[in-house]
Amino acid sequence: DTEVTQTPKHLVMGMTNKKSLKCEQHMGHRAMYWYKQKAKKPPELMFVYSYEKLSINESVPSRFSPECPNSSLLNLHLHALQPEDSALYLCASSRGGRPDTQYFGPGTRLTVL
Amino acid sequence: DAKTTQPNSMESNEEEPVHLPCNHSTISGTDYIHWYRQLPSQGPEYVIHGLTSNVNNRMASLAIAEDRKSSTLILHRATLRDAAVYYCILTGNQFYFGTGTSLTVIP
Repeated sequence: DTEVTQTPKHLVMGMTNKKSLKCEQHMGHRAMYWYKQKAKKPPELMFVYSYEKLSINESVPSRFSPECPNSSLLNLHLHALQPEDSALYLCASSRGGRPDTQYFGPGTRLTVL
Repeated sequence: DAKTTQPNSMESNEEEPVHLPCNHSTISGTDYIHWYRQLPSQGPEYVIHGLTSNVNNRMASLAIAEDRKSSTLILHRATLRDAAVYYCILTGNQFYFGTGTSLTVIP
């Protein structure tokens, strides 16, 4: 089983709203990732969690706040977003080690009004 | 991180083989070569990976040049479902996606 699930599939929010994206995997993977993908562009890495600790933050604005409550779950809390934050948000997980093959979820399509 | 270079787009006729090239001249000795594909409105899907030797799996084959500065993903018989953006990624410390190749399959 190489499934990563993401909820919700679609999200529309206003600039003053607070919302959260959720990602879950049950493959025993110890690394989890958030990516942002704009239309017709490749995914861009945002955050990496390794063994439930934030190991990489690619200079992402503080209106995006990641959280890893346990090894199977990864959240992305959203607050005061801008319309330009509208994108597909992808979650991935991997075992860690080498080669570190990542498995991606289907993504959450976010629209900020 | 090492970069990859791929053609922006390619076309193939259905049921014919497709060879998708990737140049990675700055690859380091410990970088793996991963290939992913992404169908419209879906997350990237793992296709294959390799280090030095050619690799085969049920989806595709990966041919790696002897000097490792380039590789080729081979789809043996393209189907309409293979139409996607194909990404070649060098995995050293992290994953960084290049611009990928958009594959069109012509019926």
